[in-house]
Order: sequence, then structure tokens, then C-alpha cells
Amino acid sequence: AQKITQTQPGMFVQEKEAVTLDCTYDTSDPSYGLFWYKQPSSGEMIFLIYQGSYDQQNATEGRYSLNFQKARKSANLVISASQLGDSAMYFCAMRGLNTGTASKLTFGTGTRLQVTL
Amino acid sequence: DGGITQSPKYLFRKEGQNVTLSCEQNLNHDAMYWYRQDPGQGLRLIYYSQIVNDFQKGDIAEGYSVSREKKESFPLTVTSAQKNPTAFYLCASSETSGRLRNIQYFGAGTRLSVL
Repeated sequence: AQKITQTQPGMFVQEKEAVTLDCTYDTSDPSYGLFWYKQPSSGEMIFLIYQGSYDQQNATEGRYSLNFQKARKSANLVISASQLGDSAMYFCAMRGLNTGTASKLTFGTGTRLQVTL
Repeated sequence: DGGITQSPKYLFRKEGQNVTLSCEQNLNHDAMYWYRQDPGQGLRLIYYSQIVNDFQKGDIAEGYSVSREKKESFPLTVTSAQKNPTAFYLCASSETSGRLRNIQYFGAGTRLSVL
């Protein structure tokens, strides 16, 4: 069984500042993948970034980076140079190797990010 | 444009009625998924399908049914047995492979309300 915990229900950040969204996880799978999705008010879930449990380096995708600390079981999302368009819900999710060939994901409860002027 | 189309965007259900949510994808993905999202909560898996004519229950399948007769289509029926159907429903698809980095791509969702 897998569990994702996002303890920040809401966050505020000023435009152009960096922000860190927290995610901790629990799993008994030796190999797993961690995902972050963005959900704007329109509702669609947009994939942002992926980190594999055995990846040597922390993942980066443009302004998004993942601060992966395996020993602490944390996979925090860092958004640099925040923009007004970053205001949305952000979900952390994971998949273990034992879920088989389908990409069954377990999601956290999300963090609502509000970017202010 | 490749993607996932969900319809309708808004749906209303009367007491005792079955309603069907449509999900179509043109990404040539083998796997498809249905999630339910309630306010303040994450997504919970209802059903998923890895191949045509096969599907499995997720964590909250009671009161729902699905079919997978075509690779592109994975409709979800919310039956009258589902006593609390008001929620936002998201459909997703992905490749099927042993790779952990299997990205799920989502549609824009259907918001279901009870009249």
C-alpha cells in the first residue's frame, strides 16, 4: 500500500519568488515513481515532473524542480520565479513497481497555491 | 491534436437514474482510468482498464460500472446504487509498460450533480 501526505492545504507566494510545496510518502515497494500534477481552476490535471526512486539526480523541468530526499521519504516541488499563472492546486502522486503494467497512481490531498502581486 | 475528451462538462442526475460519462482518447494508449475527486480531497481510483475488453476495480468501484469495447473509449456509468454521486470525475490514459515513468494524461473532467 502507498500513501502520500501533503500537509499544506494552502500557500501564498509573491510573484517572482520561489516556493516549495511539501510531499511525503510511504511505500513498501523497493522501486517507485513520484509525480507532481497541477490542477488549474478549469479542472484538468497537468503533468509537471517525475522522479524515479533510483534516479541519481533530482528532476528538473524548466521552472520546476523536485527536491527528492529518499531517506526522509520526501519529494518536495520547488517552483522558481513564480508567475500569476502558477496559481492552482498541486498534487503529489506515486506509483510502485508492484502495481503492474498499468500506471495506478496514489494521490495526496493537494496544496492550493496562490501567487500574489 | 492528441488528447482526452470528456463529455459532458456538466451533468445532472435525478434520483434513481443511471447516467453515463464519456471518455475518448486519441493517444493510442492501452490503459485508461476513471478517478473521482471530492472537494478538499485527492483523486480516488474508480476503475481502470489495461486492454480492450478487460477492466479492474479500483479503490471505490461500488455503484459504478464501465466497459471497454474499443481502445479509444472508456465510458463510466454512475448507477442508482451510488448514493453520493456528486463529485468531479476525471478520465486518464497512459501507455502500459513496466516502466515506472508511465505518465497519466487527463481529460478536462465532468462535474456531476444530483437534482
